[in-house]
Amino acid sequence: NAGVTQTPKFQVLKTGQSMTLQCAQDMNHEYMSWYRQDPGMGLRLIHYSVGAGITDQGEVPNGYNVSRSTTEDFPLRLLSAAPSQTSVYFCASSSPRGTFSNEQYFGPGTRLTVT
Amino acid sequence: GDSVTQMEGPVTLSEEAFLTINCTYTATGYPSLFWYVQYPGEGLQLLLKATKADDKGSNKGFEATYRKETTSFHLEKGSVQVSDSAVYFCALSDRPGRGGSYIPTFGRGTSLIVHP
Repeated sequence: NAGVTQTPKFQVLKTGQSMTLQCAQDMNHEYMSWYRQDPGMGLRLIHYSVGAGITDQGEVPNGYNVSRSTTEDFPLRLLSAAPSQTSVYFCASSSPRGTFSNEQYFGPGTRLTVT
Repeated sequence: GDSVTQMEGPVTLSEEAFLTINCTYTATGYPSLFWYVQYPGEGLQLLLKATKADDKGSNKGFEATYRKETTSFHLEKGSVQVSDSAVYFCALSDRPGRGGSYIPTFGRGTSLIVHP
């Protein structure tokens, strides 16, 4: 199993450009999430999905869109990049149903710089 | 709502010192508790977990006990190594039907620096 994969690993954008961060998992997990990590802020939830076709907003959704057309993939779209979106982005997946825990599996991250 | 509070860092120790990183939580339900570790340049990975009161999670010499009476889940290690230098995140995950949504709540992370 590859686990959770993210591409690209690094990206530099100019203000106003758009792009898609890719995330895929091969564990058949129903839950998938996007977080951003900023110094001193910990992890902040952007969007999440509890299954194919179902998405919901997290703590900081503005400026980002998501869709979940398959169980495996959960891309994050930046509509018009702003310097405030400079961050490290992590995708995570989990399969909590029928268990007493909800262990998250994280991808390696995408480091995004917006100039 | 649910929340996790962990001690601010960085925590700086010499090799073989004893480590404690405090974590307390508030939750509407009866959550599972986790510690994740993030090594430089990597994503988070599960270090240990506990799913009910008085459970002790352990892994790689690290331990944490689920204390419902004090709503705490402190991380401890008896003798740290330079390779333990990382950021440690405490987290909880509540369960639907008990007021939770399965979406985890993370603390802000505590940086640990271990010197030789």
